[in-house]
Amino acid sequence: EVQLLESGGGLVQPGGSLRLSCAASGFTFSSYAMTWVRQAPGRGLEWVSDMSGSGDATYYADSVKGRFTISRDNSKNTLYLQMNSLRGEDTAVYYCAKGRGLAAADSLNWFDPWGQGTLVTVSS
Amino acid sequence: DIQLTQSPSSLSASVGDRVTITCRASQTIRTFLNWYQQKPGKAPSLLIHSASTLQSGVPSRFSGSGSGTDFTLTISSLEADDSATYYCQQTYQTLPCTFGQGTKLEI
Repeated sequence: EVQLLESGGGLVQPGGSLRLSCAASGFTFSSYAMTWVRQAPGRGLEWVSDMSGSGDATYYADSVKGRFTISRDNSKNTLYLQMNSLRGEDTAVYYCAKGRGLAAADSLNWFDPWGQGTLVTVSS
Repeated sequence: DIQLTQSPSSLSASVGDRVTITCRASQTIRTFLNWYQQKPGKAPSLLIHSASTLQSGVPSRFSGSGSGTDFTLTISSLEADDSATYYCQQTYQTLPCTFGQGTKLEI
């Protein structure tokens, strides 16, 4: 069974940093692009970042570009999201999700499955 | 960015009803359109990809159709377990891929 388990969320002050992790199991992790999607409280879904299966391609939403860094360790089957210079508008549940194939930012793509999410709260 | 507009934003229906949710794109997205279901406090789950392909394990009462700019998600006979928020997503333009604002279905 494919499983994704996020961790690392919590309360952080504006301007602070946090690193999220997503532990994957049940599939060949290095063969699939991975994605971070976030959902602010009571709001809809917002794509944050993609990384290809090999890790050689990364993409970011404009809202996080220059502040967030996606990475992966295929030997540990783990995806990461390093979040710096955090703002109040970054407060959200962050989900990792598995892509359809190896390439990130592919038109023929969908996210399945998703992890259970980890809550990031940015507040003083 | 491609905008996706779902209608209605919310609806109330009864067990056994047939329900249709619409997703309209601001430009053509061919059939690069996915549907997700999100229950309260849970992660989204994939229902349909590529506009009309039912994801494995999803009940056959769910179906999707459309191409270009107009798409529909239909639930043929509502069950109580279908109470959730439904999101469409386009991946035609990948950077960024975008989601509709959601349709909250109450039963």
